[in-house]
Amino acid sequence: AQKVTQAQTEISVVEKEDVTLDCVYETRDTTYYLFWYKQPPSGELVFLIRRNSFDEQNEISGRYSWNFQKSTSSFNFTITASQVVDSAVYFCALTNSGSARQLTFGSGTQLTVLP
Amino acid sequence: NAGVTQTPKFQVLKTGQSMTLQCAQDMNHEYMSWYRQDPGMGLRLIHYSVGAGITDQGEVPNGYNVSRSTTEDFPLRLLSAAPSQTSVYFCASSYSFGGLAGAYEQYFGPGTRLTVT
Repeated sequence: AQKVTQAQTEISVVEKEDVTLDCVYETRDTTYYLFWYKQPPSGELVFLIRRNSFDEQNEISGRYSWNFQKSTSSFNFTITASQVVDSAVYFCALTNSGSARQLTFGSGTQLTVLP
Repeated sequence: NAGVTQTPKFQVLKTGQSMTLQCAQDMNHEYMSWYRQDPGMGLRLIHYSVGAGITDQGEVPNGYNVSRSTTEDFPLRLLSAAPSQTSVYFCASSYSFGGLAGAYEQYFGPGTRLTVT
């Protein structure tokens, strides 16, 4: 069975601080995809990134960066110089080749960025 | 393209009432699914469909029915609403972006907030 754990339920930072959201996953498959989604207060789910299990390169997109480490089954997400607009719930999710179109979500991390 | 649309946006039901949550997509995606989101639990899969006429159960199917008569529509039916079904419901459709097996991109609708009293 698959599992995604986001141990940080809530994080609060002051604007311009860096913040890292942790994601640890469990799967028996060798081929899988990891995702991060953002859910702002308006409620919609916004896709941020996907990474396949064979691509361990870190990725940077503006103030966002992702660190994928298969050795520790982690896919952490860092926001540099946080802004108030980053306040949202962030979800990590996992899919695999077997039930490929079904996502297993973590419980989410509520990030609050204070001005 | 409108993407994935859901109606209604909000709904209040009384225990025992029935209703259908509507979901439609105009991207010709074969795969569609329904998730529910509860506080502290992330999203959990209710039912999914791999094409018209084919549906299957997800992690939390009890109390819900689905059918898929067309590629575009995937309604979720609550036959006898219960307070435990108070939640936010998301519909999603997906397509393959190629590459490795399992390379699917999911598009989510805006959600339906349901309250059962």
